[in-house]
Amino acid sequence: KAGVTQTPRYLIKTRGQQVTLSCSPISGHRSVSWYQQTPGQGLQFLFEYFSETQRNKGNFPGRFSGRQFSNSRSEMNVSTLELGDSALYLCASSLEINYEQYFGPGTRLTVT
Amino acid sequence: AQSVTQLDSQVPVFEEAPVELRCNYSSSVSVYLFWYVQYPNQGLQLLLKYLSGSTLVKGINGFEAEFNKSQTSFHLRKPSVHISDTAEYFCAVSAMDSSYKLIFGSGTRLLVRP
Repeated sequence: KAGVTQTPRYLIKTRGQQVTLSCSPISGHRSVSWYQQTPGQGLQFLFEYFSETQRNKGNFPGRFSGRQFSNSRSEMNVSTLELGDSALYLCASSLEINYEQYFGPGTRLTVT
Repeated sequence: AQSVTQLDSQVPVFEEAPVELRCNYSSSVSVYLFWYVQYPNQGLQLLLKYLSGSTLVKGINGFEAEFNKSQTSFHLRKPSVHISDTAEYFCAVSAMDSSYKLIFGSGTRLLVRP
């Protein structure tokens, strides 16, 4: 089976712009979670979607949003980018039965 | 709320020596416990997990961990490390009622020297 794929892998944006990141889960996985990884704050949970519904949400401002499509693919959007949004954004998918999350390689976002 | 503490930011060790990476957690509810490894420029890979049952769990690449409820610890061990084990290791917990929300520790960089 193909693993979790994330596109694009690298992205450079300017402050004030918005960005959309995409995640394709492993086939058959219906849960998709997003995490932000930075040197200062480490790995932080953003949100989790299951069957197109947001099931859990972390402590991030409303500029961070996401959605999930009927084929389980997910996107996250960050509006009005700030320098502090520079990070590695990781997506993970999961099968409901074993609580294991499989991570993609991440999207490296740089805000200048 | 849950929190995870990995006291050692870096652990240097010689090849073929044993290693223990420490993890302590705090939670007011029952949790599931995980260890993940991250190699440079890659995502995270699950090493092992504890959901219930035997407190000693075995994972991939020869790693094992022991869940100690009274000490709220979940230390990772390997009896003999290889150069290829050099990576960042993350301990994580999730509450049983929000199982897909992982709370991570700050990570421990394992540096294996020849």
